[in-house]
Amino acid sequence: NAGVTQTPKFQVLKTGQSMTLQCAQDMNHEYMSWYRQDPGMGLRLIHYSVGAGITDQGEVPNGYNVSRSTTEDFPLRLLSAAPSQTSVYFCASSKDAKDIQYFGAGTRLSVL
Amino acid sequence: RKEVEQDPGPFNVPEGATVAFNCTYSNSASQSFFWYRQDCRKEPKLLMSVYSSGNEDGRFTAQLNRASQYISLLIRDSKLSDSATYLCVVNPQAGTALIFGKGTTLSVSS
Repeated sequence: NAGVTQTPKFQVLKTGQSMTLQCAQDMNHEYMSWYRQDPGMGLRLIHYSVGAGITDQGEVPNGYNVSRSTTEDFPLRLLSAAPSQTSVYFCASSKDAKDIQYFGAGTRLSVL
Repeated sequence: RKEVEQDPGPFNVPEGATVAFNCTYSNSASQSFFWYRQDCRKEPKLLMSVYSSGNEDGRFTAQLNRASQYISLLIRDSKLSDSATYLCVVNPQAGTALIFGKGTTLSVSS
């Protein structure tokens, strides 16, 4: 059972670089979301998707883009990395928005 | 008032102790409630859902008080392995995303 798979697990970027964090789920879940977690801040929602072709902004969307071309995949793109984007990023999926969310193992990103 | 509030702790208890966490939520129309557990540097994992009638899973008991808008988690006979951060999670209304509290840290010592 793969569940929610995130890649890479660790990444170091220089300021201004772009990259894509990958997220895939094999549970046929319609709802997927991206969070960032910083010390003392808890989980903050970046973007979410209620199904293929539909995405929306969460609490902290600036500097990030998402797309949902398939049910399985929900990549998160950092357009021009900034040190403020140093964080742990979690992808999650669920049957729908109010249901139990299953998380990936996270991506630890450092922007220098 | 924040949407979901938790006492951050830390709660430091000896093995075998009973400990309780509370969480308050602001939206009276909230529909679903959960407790998640997060170990250091790991992803959050569902501990238990919280039902209106209250529910129990082994040493863990969850209660929902809609009138006062809070949920609670009771852990009996604490184990060293219970040391973690416990996240209160609320779905404020249909079609919206779950809201996570910032978590309560529990440290169980021998």
